[in-house]
Amino acid sequence: GNSVTQMEGPVTLSEEAFLTINCTYTATGYPSLFWYVQYPGEGLQLLLKATKADDKGSNKGFEATYRKETTSFHLEKGSVQVSDSAVYFCALTQAGTALIFGKGTTLSVSS
Amino acid sequence: NAGVTQTPKFRILKIGQSMTLQCTQDMNHNYMYWYRQDPGMGLKLIYYSVGAGITDKGEVPNGYNVSRSTTEDFPLRLELAAPSQTSVYFCASRFDQGNQPQHFGDGTRLSIL
Repeated sequence: GNSVTQMEGPVTLSEEAFLTINCTYTATGYPSLFWYVQYPGEGLQLLLKATKADDKGSNKGFEATYRKETTSFHLEKGSVQVSDSAVYFCALTQAGTALIFGKGTTLSVSS
Repeated sequence: NAGVTQTPKFRILKIGQSMTLQCTQDMNHNYMYWYRQDPGMGLKLIYYSVGAGITDKGEVPNGYNVSRSTTEDFPLRLELAAPSQTSVYFCASRFDQGNQPQHFGDGTRLSIL
């Protein structure tokens, strides 16, 4: 079946450091891929998405590129801020089915 | 814009009690979902609905029931609460066109003691 694997956390960075959170997936066909962010005490918010191979999703300085050849959708940001501290979830959906989530990666940014 | 609204935000139940978690959305979305989030485990799908009068089981439906009498509302019922149901519950909704993203409520934190 379909699945999503994210790098284990927590990820601890200093402000202005470069961020990469790895995400790989298993799916037949061409799923749509998403990154969601969850700030403490809140629900999940869509951060960015990509619906076909080689698409790049971007938002708030975060980027992720849909790589069909490596079945990956890694999240990157060039310079993180303390306010980026949150839990990040990679997810996929296919043919309108429910989202399948990775286990989440906790990011902690210190000043 | 209200989006997806969940009530209550917090609840403590005793083993064997029952309760209903409420979820309502004002975006006229056909698709609605219930997830539970356990620490370090991501989100697991409990039930979902593709429209009023239609519901189906997800990955972890045991111990829960749902109904969908209107487009707006999708309540989740726990009939006999058990400690294993201690979790954070999220409701979500989306348009039924293509792979549109899901919109989430703020969650209900439920403890069963």
